Amino acid sequence: QSVLTQPPSVSAAPGQKVSISCSGSSSNLENNYVSWYQQLPGTAPKLLIYENNKRPSGIPDRFSGSKSGTSATLGITGLQTGDEADYYCGTWDSSLDSGVFGGGTKVTVL
Amino acid sequence: QVQLQESGPGPVRPSGTLSLTCTVSGGSFSRSHWSWIRQPPGKGLEWIGYVYTTGGTNYNPSLKSRVTISMDTPKNQFSLTLSSVTAADTAVYFCARGQLKWTSGHYYYYMDVWGRGTAVTVSS
Repeated sequence: QSVLTQPPSVSAAPGQKVSISCSGSSSNLENNYVSWYQQLPGTAPKLLIYENNKRPSGIPDRFSGSKSGTSATLGITGLQTGDEADYYCGTWDSSLDSGVFGGGTKVTVL
Repeated sequence: QVQLQESGPGPVRPSGTLSLTCTVSGGSFSRSHWSWIRQPPGKGLEWIGYVYTTGGTNYNPSLKSRVTISMDTPKNQFSLTLSSVTAADTAVYFCARGQLKWTSGHYYYYMDVWGRGTAVTVSS
């Protein structure tokens, strides 16, 4: 049982937009910054978004992040077949004094 | 460009000790929270813990009694030891460079560089 809650899967056609939600609590998302990771099949996770909405160098602006209260959202626009992957949200939990992740969301391009 | 590479001895027997090392190359070994994360087969990511540059550590409460993370600065390596393993500890283990800061009343923590991961099987 993950501390952060994500939908198991989302899907959309190429070129469309998907949004992935991440739900937490006052001890994690409400008061701390969220990060997002992309894990392509058989590979290590890669940082997509940090500090709620910042993109590391090389991450296209098709990927965006936002946070409000105890929830965060990752948006992917102009969906491509190469975006098929598992996506994880993560943050720090002040009560657990521990890093925490969501359970992951599988993105399928129809 | 910082790169991380995990290494370990392979399969581990139940009740034994899992030991992994992560070698950091191509950059400074300072001012980061060197972290371990694992992923059981077909499941999500689980944070294990970190060792900071100064040697301070922090562990997942659910694993705290069995985990030790340490660093060997001259070798640019940090290590994970997990004792009393069971089949539930079978996973791909990733090392990563973490950034953890407290600013304006909020924490931010993220892993910006990851190793490729190494699969560890606990089996008799």
